[in-house]
Amino acid sequence: DAKTTQPTSMDCAEGRAANLPCNHSTISGNEYVYWYRQIHSQGPQYIIHGLKNNETNEMASLIITEDRKSSTLILPHATLRDTAVYYCIVRALLSGGGADGLTFGKGTHLIIQP
Amino acid sequence: DGGITQSPKYLFRKEGQNVTLSCEQNLNHDAMYWYRQDPGQGLRLIYYSQIVNDFQKGDIAEGYSVSREKKESFPLTVTSAQKNPTAFYLCATTIDGGPSYNEQFFGPGTRLTVL
Repeated sequence: DAKTTQPTSMDCAEGRAANLPCNHSTISGNEYVYWYRQIHSQGPQYIIHGLKNNETNEMASLIITEDRKSSTLILPHATLRDTAVYYCIVRALLSGGGADGLTFGKGTHLIIQP
Repeated sequence: DGGITQSPKYLFRKEGQNVTLSCEQNLNHDAMYWYRQDPGQGLRLIYYSQIVNDFQKGDIAEGYSVSREKKESFPLTVTSAQKNPTAFYLCATTIDGGPSYNEQFFGPGTRLTVL
């Protein structure tokens, strides 16, 4: 699987949009971009994923550049409960299928300031 | 969370003892996973199982063992051969191991401390 690069930490004011960048310059054509987050001492929580089109759900938006070498997760109106570590993951689909787990890096520690 | 139970939340053991961590799910998911997380680090895959009676080693399987006798249960044994067992252990599931991506659901985790 391709590697990702994320900033170690970011701050964002409560109520503002939080934009979390992720670089994945070696991503392959069949690799998706996934975002999870982990609130302290809890299990990670899935947020969103995409291949090449921008995606939006009730939690966030995912913007993927045209060359797919980077992406941005957007939390439109950050709240204090959004303080967490956010993981950007790229994952290849195995030939013939198979779910072999995810590779988590260190992620970005997003701190929402009141 | 939401149908995945890991117990206990905190576990203490003496060095040299084997210990088994429980993971139970009522989501009817086929695939189950065990991850380990050390402080300030991401998650690393220990073992995974796509169907009953079958499991595969992950990136850091040495010193661990698993079984998958029932769809609902995927216990992880931390053996005395694991040199640094103190960590946060997370169990996860997905609907199946098919070619389409399926969101992974994580349990609340067990924090193991070896004294």
